[in-house]
Amino acid sequence: DTGVSQNPRHKITKRGQNVTFRCDPISEHNRLYWYRQTLGQGPEFLTYFQNEAQLEKSRLLSDRFSAERPKGSFSTLEIQRTEQGDSAMYLCASLEQGTNLMNTEAFFGQGTRLTVV
Amino acid sequence: AQSVTQPDIHITVSEGASLELRCNYSYGATPYLFWYVQSPGQGLQLLLKYFSGDTLVQGIKGFEAEFKRSQSSFNLRKPSVHWSDAAEYFCAVGVLSNFGNEKLTFGTGTRLTIIP
Repeated sequence: DTGVSQNPRHKITKRGQNVTFRCDPISEHNRLYWYRQTLGQGPEFLTYFQNEAQLEKSRLLSDRFSAERPKGSFSTLEIQRTEQGDSAMYLCASLEQGTNLMNTEAFFGQGTRLTVV
Repeated sequence: AQSVTQPDIHITVSEGASLELRCNYSYGATPYLFWYVQSPGQGLQLLLKYFSGDTLVQGIKGFEAEFKRSQSSFNLRKPSVHWSDAAEYFCAVGVLSNFGNEKLTFGTGTRLTIIP
């Protein structure tokens, strides 16, 4: 297993278009996170899945954003009617079941860089 | 609410010199503290973490950090930097949410440049 994989790595879209990103976590990692990182800022929490259940969403996740994890494996993050303010790096991280940040670590993907023009 | 402050946006250090990156946190309970490194085009990699016990924590790549509760600080140090250490460094605090989820609150990062 080569770690958390995110696709695409880069996406340029026109304002108003819809985009979808994919995250493949490490196998058997049932916990999955999405973070957003804008220029000059640290990553900010967006949402969290345990298996297929979306258990927590940040206020940053407006109604234009939707995330799914249909089979508890890969996850998708869709942004509808993109705006220039959506331009950012979208990071995915996964964590093994039955663990916590004390005894393991969250593994991050390389991210998808979105540019809205 | 929890927060993390990294007061230095950009630091330049000569190769072989010592390094200290500052991090201050605000959190009502005992914090779980982390340092991550992000190289260009790469994801975040965990350098070290602190939960309890010895306040001096050793990490990978020769880094260490010291937790000082009285100063609400968790500064990252390295005695001798290498050109490969050039990257963005993020301090983070781990929080257990009401949903039983642990999530990370990051600082804004410090960009480290190494000069020959």
